[in-house]
Amino acid sequence: EADIYQTPRYLVIGTGKKITLECSQTMGHDKMYWYQQDPGMELHLIHYSYGVNSTEKGDLSSESTVSRIRTEHFPLTLESARPSHTSQYLCASSGPSGAKDSRTGELFFGEGSRLTVL
Amino acid sequence: KNQVEQSPQSLIILEGKNCTLQCNYTVSPFSNLRWYKQDTGRGPVSLTIMTFSENTKSNGRYTATLDADTKQSSLHITASQLSDSASYICVVSDRGSTLGRLYFGRGTQLTVWP
Repeated sequence: EADIYQTPRYLVIGTGKKITLECSQTMGHDKMYWYQQDPGMELHLIHYSYGVNSTEKGDLSSESTVSRIRTEHFPLTLESARPSHTSQYLCASSGPSGAKDSRTGELFFGEGSRLTVL
Repeated sequence: KNQVEQSPQSLIILEGKNCTLQCNYTVSPFSNLRWYKQDTGRGPVSLTIMTFSENTKSNGRYTATLDADTKQSSLHITASQLSDSASYICVVSDRGSTLGRLYFGRGTQLTVWP
């Protein structure tokens, strides 16, 4: 079973608030990702990291920011939330180079954080 | 344009019946194809992975097939159970995790009724 955790699972906040979605994994994975998922739509990559102090923007433009100060921790921050940010945010990780699953790239997902901005 | 298309969008079946979900892709070059199961309110979990040389792979009641020539994959579920109710997502990788990227389908929402 994957050991990747997201908090909070559900968050309802007002417009303009700053929020941080937490993501931690205990598998020692180098690569971590944030995806945004809306009902009936495909997952969209918004941020990824290949290691400590490495972060890149994904395919979907996002006003959020991320940091990777520790291997196991990959938080996502929204400085000023808006209703358009309402969505499901999924964090994922994949194995380090040289691991059995690194070539095939299995993603291990957290349970997700459902954000509602009023 | 690299794409992954899944069909049907949604499916309702009775418990104990079989069903087949389809995934067509245009991703090139092709590295591998995974099927993920996503329960409501949870993160996706990998069911199977298919590489270029593999035609069929089973994981319990789940059997995935791959036709790399026609760029089609299917996921067959045998003797469905209520717990099979979920979204099934097809994900195609173009070069593997190190250098490549992943292309996601929109999923097939399967509902199993008692």
